[in-house]
Amino acid sequence: DTGVSQDPRHKITKRGQNVTFRCDPISEHNRLYWYRQTLGQGPEFLTYFQNEAQLEKSRLLSDRFSAERPKGSFSTLEIQRTEQGDSAMYLCASSFPDRAGKLFFGSGTQLSVL
Amino acid sequence: KQEVTQIPAALSVPEGENLVLNCSFTDSAIYNLQWFRQDPGKGLTSLLLIQSSQREQTSGRLNASLDKSSGRSTLYIAASQPGDSATYLCAVFMGSARQLTFGSGTQLTVLP
Repeated sequence: DTGVSQDPRHKITKRGQNVTFRCDPISEHNRLYWYRQTLGQGPEFLTYFQNEAQLEKSRLLSDRFSAERPKGSFSTLEIQRTEQGDSAMYLCASSFPDRAGKLFFGSGTQLSVL
Repeated sequence: KQEVTQIPAALSVPEGENLVLNCSFTDSAIYNLQWFRQDPGKGLTSLLLIQSSQREQTSGRLNASLDKSSGRSTLYIAASQPGDSATYLCAVFMGSARQLTFGSGTQLTVLP
């Protein structure tokens, strides 16, 4: 499979728990993005990596959120002390360095916080 | 701040109709514009990408146009089919911001 892979597909957790999502981008892509999408809305930008460097973070990314891309390949997004408002689809995307703006999206991780 | 608006929010048409989905954006200094398709509970599939220097792109029954100066794009779907039922999202890429800004989407239902 040469697409963007996200794991898990679904996550149900209780309020206050920590959760971690993983994204494996297309192997030649050095740019990786995280987006969050709530029901009936378009995806909202969370953060962006170029190789292992996190170059941009949205104000949506509160202190409870942290993203890493330690070796410039896969990325993880961790949410600490989850709240019901964190319930959303978390989407990962990647792109070529020379084709900025042509993003390829994964199938997402659907998070439900009870 | 770039804002993207899609009208209508929902659309229901009988099979075989041609239809147009609209997208508008407030800042015309875009790098490119993409149309995506999203099925319920799934990720996004890129349909068409129009560079800022282009006026339109075509793929099969889909045609997307871009009028950067007026901040508008349309997605034309010819001879719609029930399998076209999905949410269609418009997104603009600002090179300076290095991110896509999305509209809220148009939920399309094609009735058999």
